[in-house]
Amino acid sequence: DVKVTQSSRYLVKRTGEKVFLECVQDMDHENMFWYRQDPGLGLRLIYFSYDVKMKEKGDIPEGYSVSREKKERFSLILESASTNQTSMYLCASSLGGADSFTYGYTFGSGTRLTVV
Amino acid sequence: AQRVTQPEKLLSVFKGAPVELKCNYSYSGSPELFWYVQYSRQRLQLLLRHISRESIKGFTADLNKGETSFHLKKPFAQEEDSAMYYCALSGRNFNKFYFGSGTKLNVKP
Repeated sequence: DVKVTQSSRYLVKRTGEKVFLECVQDMDHENMFWYRQDPGLGLRLIYFSYDVKMKEKGDIPEGYSVSREKKERFSLILESASTNQTSMYLCASSLGGADSFTYGYTFGSGTRLTVV
Repeated sequence: AQRVTQPEKLLSVFKGAPVELKCNYSYSGSPELFWYVQYSRQRLQLLLRHISRESIKGFTADLNKGETSFHLKKPFAQEEDSAMYYCALSGRNFNKFYFGSGTKLNVKP
């Protein structure tokens, strides 16, 4: 019953490559998020989206962009990958409004990206 | 500015011992507090939320507004509790969560 799916579990890319990380949810959630997870730093928000074609910067948006053309899909784009973007990337989704407090986030299983 | 602090990176206890994972927060309004857990090789999942005042898998957490804390407690730790635990905060006007740096709980046999 996987509900938030990230297209790749492991990814290795070269410095300077354009990288696409895909996330799809089947719960009809309004909100979608991209975090990166690093030891000792926890989860840091990169970008989030409250609606189709809507996006807002999180705490660490530099070097990233996002796309949300359909409600169920939220893509994270690394325009020119660098070694300091080697990390675990987590996608999450949630219902809108007060329901997000009741049900919290549903997370994907993560994509471990290595940039060499 | 909002901030979630988990002072312990690693907490090791023996099976059957009490465990307390600390979480302190700073937020200008009235936040909602949560605990998330990530077991080995599994995805991050919601453990419990303050708004529900629930006990999940024997864990409880009390919001102390005076001390701005939301510590996670369990009276008798089990080996299967070994995992990474994240405290998270969300403001009432926003849908995004702010996470602490996480505490790795290791329950020894």
